[in-house]
Amino acid sequence: EVQLVESGGGLVKPGGSLRLSCAASGFTFSSYSMNWVRQAPGKGLEWVSSISSSSSYIYYADSVKGRFTISRDNAKNSLYLQMNSLRAEDTAVYYCAREVVVVVAATRYNWFDPWGQGTLVTVSS
Amino acid sequence: EIVLTQSPGTLSLSPGERATLSCRASQSVSSSYLAWYQQKPGQAPRLLIYGASSRATGIPDRFSGSGSGTDFTLTISRLEPEDFAVYYCQQGGTFGQGTKVEIK
Repeated sequence: EVQLVESGGGLVKPGGSLRLSCAASGFTFSSYSMNWVRQAPGKGLEWVSSISSSSSYIYYADSVKGRFTISRDNAKNSLYLQMNSLRAEDTAVYYCAREVVVVVAATRYNWFDPWGQGTLVTVSS
Repeated sequence: EIVLTQSPGTLSLSPGERATLSCRASQSVSSSYLAWYQQKPGQAPRLLIYGASSRATGIPDRFSGSGSGTDFTLTISRLEPEDFAVYYCQQGGTFGQGTKVEIK
């Protein structure tokens, strides 16, 4: 079974740091790009960051650029998100999601599947 | 930057009725990158549709997607009780704000 399990969330004070982890199983982790997506309480989905299979390509949303760092360890089938200088507006459930890319007849398709169950990060004094 | 605007914000319908959800892009996007997700309270999003019109594995055929360019539609032909949820469209790193389908 393809599965993603996040951990590392919790309560942190503004300006603090937290490191999230996402453990992958049931698929060849090293073959897929991975993403972090967050959802503030009662709000919609916001893409946070992505990392290619070999870590060659890394992207961030403007809202976290310079504060968050995405990384992965293919030997451990794990994805990470190091979050520094946390703000109240970073409070959210953080999901990791596998990015699936399929090329059919020279057309590239991509989507996120599956998603982990999420881990809650609360930034509050 | 592409913006995806979903409408309506909330759709109040009864079981058995047809639901039509819209996702409009601020500029033309490739249909192959347009996906739809369903999210129920306390759960992670679940992939429904990819490539604008292809159902994901295990998704009932009452769910269908269509559209191209800037206008995309998710249709639920006959609402089942388990279909009442929030639905999001996505194109790459951009998500729409969601449409809540609630029981009337």
